[in-house]
Amino acid sequence: GAGVSQSPRYKVAKRGQDVALRCDPISGHVSLFWYQQALGQGPEFLTYFQNEAQLDKSGLPSDRFFAERPEGSVSTLKIQRTQQEDSAVYLCASSYGTSGSTYEQYFGPGTRLTVT
Amino acid sequence: DQQVKQNSPSLSVQEGRISILNCDYTNSMFDYFLWYKKYPAEGPTFLISISSIKDKNEDGRFTVFLNKSAKHLSLHIVPSQPGDSAVYFCAASGGYQKVTFGTGTKLQVIP
Repeated sequence: GAGVSQSPRYKVAKRGQDVALRCDPISGHVSLFWYQQALGQGPEFLTYFQNEAQLDKSGLPSDRFFAERPEGSVSTLKIQRTQQEDSAVYLCASSYGTSGSTYEQYFGPGTRLTVT
Repeated sequence: DQQVKQNSPSLSVQEGRISILNCDYTNSMFDYFLWYKKYPAEGPTFLISISSIKDKNEDGRFTVFLNKSAKHLSLHIVPSQPGDSAVYFCAASGGYQKVTFGTGTKLQVIP
């Protein structure tokens, strides 16, 4: 079956613009994660959904960042009033498992956001 | 506060030899450890994992060793192949699925 897909793959935004990044997880996967990966760094956790519920948003760097998963499938990460420090690759991952156990996370290819 | 550390940013190994990638962690609440492999322009791909109740897990050419007292884990690849050239991320989780990643080690296997 299809893996995790993300769109767009590349996004260039002018400082101050709003952007929306989309993630289509693997069908049937309950858990969905967003990560931010800066150049030369490992992915850093942003937020976690179990179905439509956002159970952890402790990694969101500011209130300009907002994520949703209204029907428990597709998720959107929105960044308002983008700043240059938001430039990074945004990775989405999904897994079959839920809280209390650890299952393999399947990652999408990421969206590379460049803020000019 | 870097809770998962990979102190070697890069490693070069001859084809056929053993590759050893190291990782240290500081959070004693971590109970599950994973290695991911990443090629350019792709997302990380799960490679192998180990629970904190074990000290070794093997899958084909890949073996992960965990030393809880030292808060250290390592990934051994033997024999190394050119296709193994990639960035390897060590990661750890505790409680639920939130995963903390290291900064990665770029492995180059020289034919």
